[in-house]
Amino acid sequence: GQQLNQSPQSMFIQEGEDVSMNCTSSSIFNTWLWYKQDPGEGPVLLIALYKAGELTSNGRLTAQFGITRKDSFLNISASIPSDVGIYFCAGFYTGTASKLTFGTGTRLQVTL
Amino acid sequence: NAGVMQNPRHLVRRRGQEARLRCSPMKGHSHVYWYRQLPEEGLKFMVYLQKENIIDESGMPKERFSAEFPKEGPSILRIQQVVRGDSAAYFCASSRTSGSETQYFGPGTRLTVL
Repeated sequence: GQQLNQSPQSMFIQEGEDVSMNCTSSSIFNTWLWYKQDPGEGPVLLIALYKAGELTSNGRLTAQFGITRKDSFLNISASIPSDVGIYFCAGFYTGTASKLTFGTGTRLQVTL
Repeated sequence: NAGVMQNPRHLVRRRGQEARLRCSPMKGHSHVYWYRQLPEEGLKFMVYLQKENIIDESGMPKERFSAEFPKEGPSILRIQQVVRGDSAAYFCASSRTSGSETQYFGPGTRLTVL
């Protein structure tokens, strides 16, 4: 089945640094979502984007819905240790009977 | 994880046994989705159910796997005659309305097949 490509696959950063990750698809979506998954837990929704070009913030997180509707970006500013985890993008298209298509994930590790 | 309950959290089965995974959606939610996550991978859609109906099972293997969401009680994902390749984390999500991208996930059931 289709899967979205995320990059980078993993990143090690120092506390206080900004982080950027992106997600690309070969097909368009009309909604993009970003989730965070902690070890042993289910994904938790961070940000949802509903319109091409939309830029949305949630605290230190900012995400953008690409103009082409085939990509999205997530930025985390001033990272802290609890930002550690795996970040997944997910695309949603109304005609696909409600299923989310998930990205491959970006593993973030924050060092002090 | 917004109240979606899954049990058991961990399940160990030997090859050939059956696995039953249960999911209770959030209160007021009548739409349930099952996803599978292999190690180091993203989640992959399996099946979407409403009460007593399977709406989309395009991601579910044709053999050995089945899902139900009865009028009363939790949704059940059933895997018969498990094989080692079934070892994965299985996540359930629920939503209030149909066609909703706002899906709330449970903590998952980690299935290990020996």
